[in-house]
Amino acid sequence: KNEVEQSPQNLTAQEGEFITINCSYSVGISALHWLQQHPGGGIVSLFMLSSGKKKHGRLIATINIQEKHSSLHITASHPRDSAVYICAVEGAQKLVFGQGTRLTINP
Amino acid sequence: NAGVMQNPRHLVRRRGQEARLRCSPMKGHSHVYWYRQLPEEGLKFMVYLQKENIIDESGMPKERFSAEFPKEGPSILRIQQVVRGDSAAYFCASSAELTGNTIYFGEGSWLTVV
Repeated sequence: KNEVEQSPQNLTAQEGEFITINCSYSVGISALHWLQQHPGGGIVSLFMLSSGKKKHGRLIATINIQEKHSSLHITASHPRDSAVYICAVEGAQKLVFGQGTRLTINP
Repeated sequence: NAGVMQNPRHLVRRRGQEARLRCSPMKGHSHVYWYRQLPEEGLKFMVYLQKENIIDESGMPKERFSAEFPKEGPSILRIQQVVRGDSAAYFCASSAELTGNTIYFGEGSWLTVV
């Protein structure tokens, strides 16, 4: 079993839909990161969480430390949100990555 | 304040040659991480370095791979005698402190071994 599990692995939705991507982890962590990787490969850090909830524009990230679970939400999704979203947990001086969720938003 | 700079962006090497990938962290960052992304796979940790020290190289193959982060200059990931299986995207990231800080990624270096 992977230390970091994301679901779903693939998600296709229509423009405007509310998107939720889930991340569960099995190890103790000091922080959790949500990353975005666009076609072409560059990686952008979206959020770094150690508790609670953060919001940036149409993106919201939450974490429940007791349940070892985090969610990334996208409101009013747009085709430009199409990317791979990666959850990564930080502990023991390194990041452990989930396999990523490939999101496709159709116009 | 430039971001994490990696070069080259794309590198083609023949089997048996050496590949050198460079990473300049963000200004003020003393923690550098290298990750590898094999085709159609997720990111995997390779090595964590601070200036002049390798802190954790548990993700790095024992042979042919080495990394350094000298007092002056960029961090270097070196792959000797490359094989086709080394073809991947290699990402460098940096952060200011040990944990709990935003980690900034470079654009990646794509190595193709022919």
